[in-house]
Amino acid sequence: GQSLEQPSEVTAVEGAIVQINCTYQTSGFYGLSWYQQHDGGAPTFLSYNALDGLEETGRFSSFLSRSDSYGYLLLQELQMKDSASYFCAVSAYSGGYNKLIFGAGTRLAVHP
Amino acid sequence: GAVVSQHPSWVICKSGTSVKIECRSLDFQATTMFWYRQFPKQSLMLMATSNEGSKATYEQGVEKDKFLINHASLTLSTLTVTSAHPEDSSFYICSALRTGGGYEQYFGPGTRLTVT
Repeated sequence: GQSLEQPSEVTAVEGAIVQINCTYQTSGFYGLSWYQQHDGGAPTFLSYNALDGLEETGRFSSFLSRSDSYGYLLLQELQMKDSASYFCAVSAYSGGYNKLIFGAGTRLAVHP
Repeated sequence: GAVVSQHPSWVICKSGTSVKIECRSLDFQATTMFWYRQFPKQSLMLMATSNEGSKATYEQGVEKDKFLINHASLTLSTLTVTSAHPEDSSFYICSALRTGGGYEQYFGPGTRLTVT
């Protein structure tokens, strides 16, 4: 089967750096994605890693180690608007389709 | 951009009635669309994969006779919740894969269903 683990909650202050880890067990792995979701809203795409290494997009970076089945999302220069839930999601080929399987999500609270 | 819309954005219905939710890709063609369900403070659970012109593929534990999916064109997929019950109250979100566009799924804004 497929499973992902990420911390349920993280708290940080404005301007700080926070890292949200994600470990996964899956077959047919293609890549690891990260999504942000504010309360009541739809998920928005942040990043995607198919190969090992670090991908940087502005204040957000994402890392993947396929051999360790591990990745993380790094958020720098935190702002209040970054308070949201962050989901890691595995792209996996299963049942004839390339699917996204989501982790349980990490609620990030940014304080002044 | 790649915009996906959903209609309605929220709906309240009585127990036993059916509700149809539309998912449209506005500026691109989507051979494949996905339907998710999300309960409060929980993750997105994939319900089914919808492919244009063929039957949907349902995830384990999802009743295909209760959640009817139709993907009649490259820009429209519909989810019909039949004989809705209060336990079907949830946030339903669709996403679309751009035809020939790779891995990124574009999400709709979601539909909040409340069954009374």
